[in-house]
Amino acid sequence: TAGITQAPTSQILAAGRSMTLRCTQDMRHNAMYWYRQDLGLGLRLIHYSNTAGTTGKGEVPDGYSVSRANTDDFPLTLASAVPSQTSVYFCASSESEKGGYTFGSGTRLTVV
Amino acid sequence: GQNIDQPTEMTATEGAIVQINCTYQTSGFNGLFWYQQHAGEAPTFLSYNVLDGLEEKGRFSSFLSRSKGYSYLLLKELQMKDSASYLCAVRDSNYQLIWGAGTKLIIKP
Repeated sequence: TAGITQAPTSQILAAGRSMTLRCTQDMRHNAMYWYRQDLGLGLRLIHYSNTAGTTGKGEVPDGYSVSRANTDDFPLTLASAVPSQTSVYFCASSESEKGGYTFGSGTRLTVV
Repeated sequence: GQNIDQPTEMTATEGAIVQINCTYQTSGFNGLFWYQQHAGEAPTFLSYNVLDGLEEKGRFSSFLSRSKGYSYLLLKELQMKDSASYLCAVRDSNYQLIWGAGTKLIIKP
């Protein structure tokens, strides 16, 4: 089934450790996004990529980095996790920056 | 700043009709989206409005008034499976989506 795959589904991470959240899509969408979702708040954009080889900062980029080496993959890295990064992380893609979004199933991250 | 407002929670009865409102103030406008999100799951696309008026899709309809910065999602013949959060999002002049916090809809028998 075509779509977006995120891994892991959930993770408990010690503060100060690094971690990469994986995101792969097979729809050949140009644009990809990373969001975090916290209770009572809307989805907040962390980083985005409008096409392979380019990335941009969203609303809450501090503490996170991304890369877009090819069309399909868009990993999100936390270099040194802090408890405030405890959240549900969603990866999304769209055919272009003008299209609707398809979301992955999410990664629930707890930093302790 | 940019802002999307929608009610935090609404309750409705199975078989009834409910209207979820969304007001927005954004830097430019390039379309408004409604997404449905069941608890613990990813958001899924429901509707898209870029011109004023009503878009109907089965039991769900979405309305847009750009001059008023206002949209609503209308759900008819409510079913228990419609219990979910409904997210309003506006695409701004930079083609970034600005998201509301979502409206949790509770359906009672």
